[in-house]
Amino acid sequence: DGGITQSPKYLFRKEGQNVTLSCEQNLNHDAMYWYRQDPGQGLRLIYYSQIVNDFQKGDIAEGYSVSREKKESFPLTVTSAQKNPTAFYLCASSVGTSGYTDTQYFGPGTRLTVL
Amino acid sequence: GQNIDQPTEMTATEGAIVQINCTYQTSGFNGLFWYQQHAGEAPTFLSYNVLDGLEEKGRFSSFLSRSKGYSYLLLKELQMKDSASYLCAAHLFSGGYNKLIFGAGTRLAVHP
Repeated sequence: DGGITQSPKYLFRKEGQNVTLSCEQNLNHDAMYWYRQDPGQGLRLIYYSQIVNDFQKGDIAEGYSVSREKKESFPLTVTSAQKNPTAFYLCASSVGTSGYTDTQYFGPGTRLTVL
Repeated sequence: GQNIDQPTEMTATEGAIVQINCTYQTSGFNGLFWYQQHAGEAPTFLSYNVLDGLEEKGRFSSFLSRSKGYSYLLLKELQMKDSASYLCAAHLFSGGYNKLIFGAGTRLAVHP
């Protein structure tokens, strides 16, 4: 079955620790995205990548880092510099057709709680 | 700046019709997405409007007016399972990149 997987579903970390959230897709999509969702707010874009070895900062990139070494994988690291990391993190992917319909499909999400 | 507005909460009765509105002010606008999100789960794609007008897909329909910066999602014959958040998102194309700007979501509660 094709899809997007994120693991783990729930993650607890102590304040000051870096943590890496995984995102894998087998849809053969070129573009991948990371969003953060907080209660009462819309999804906010952290980072996105249109092709392998290329990624761009989104609207709230501070305190986060990413890599895109393989087409299938787009891990997100939440660093200790992120002031309020507790949130629901969603990964998405799309075909990556520039300027045309480019539906993003979402993974199941990781709920990160920093204690 | 980029701005997407939609009501925070709505309630409706099982079997009824409900319309969820979304207004947007953006640059580089390509089209308008609607997603459904049940609590604690991933958003799932409902519709994408590029041209003005109404697109119907079963019990769900979506409308777009580009000149007014306005869209709505129409849900007919409401079922209890339709209780969820509905997210509208403007699809932008700028600097060679696709981008979605999401509204905060409308939480719909369907009651018997």
